[in-house]
Amino acid sequence: GENVGLHLPTLSVQEGDNSIINCAYSNSASDYFIWYKQESGKGPQFIIDIRSNMDKRQGQRVTVLLNKTVKHLSLQIAATQPGDSAVYFCAEKRRNTPLVFGKGTRLSVIA
Amino acid sequence: GAVVSQHPSWVICKSGTSVKIECRSLDFQATTMFWYRQFPKQSLMLMATSNEGSKATYEQGVEKDKFLINHASLTLSTLTVTSAHPEDSSFYICSARPSNQPQHFGDGTRLSIL
Repeated sequence: GENVGLHLPTLSVQEGDNSIINCAYSNSASDYFIWYKQESGKGPQFIIDIRSNMDKRQGQRVTVLLNKTVKHLSLQIAATQPGDSAVYFCAEKRRNTPLVFGKGTRLSVIA
Repeated sequence: GAVVSQHPSWVICKSGTSVKIECRSLDFQATTMFWYRQFPKQSLMLMATSNEGSKATYEQGVEKDKFLINHASLTLSTLTVTSAHPEDSSFYICSARPSNQPQHFGDGTRLSIL
């Protein structure tokens, strides 16, 4: 069935390096995508979103890239910090349907 | 600050007990709220969509008589896990979307059934 999945379940990066977290989606009808960060014992926290009419969007230290041709979404975190350690989820949405979450990637920052 | 508030954050109770979890939207009205369940090291799975003033919409495989949802006001939705058993132990998270904003999540309720 259609789903949102991730290429890497775990990612370890050195503090100060850039992190790239990937996500694949299979539903070409999805038109809105969100990246969430979830720390242990907490609910997901919004990081950045992007609509399907865009291919790149930047925030503070984060960039989301969308490649509709291959149905791929990525989250780039610049100068990764220990506070960035968490599980990151991509979520996709189609019109009039709820958010669907991917499997998640755990990011571990090595000091 | 938080736009969605959940209470309680942690519940431990005996098997057979019914447990009520509250989800409140802060500073905005939510005609729709969402309830998710998350098992350890897994993703969030949508259980149901709570609709103010009408019946909730449950996802396939979620027992509506087991997970009672009430959305009686524009700022409050409740999820009651009836006759809870150890297999119901999980992290329950609610969500709502302020107007013209992304969907926001509460900090979850950890339910442990002994």
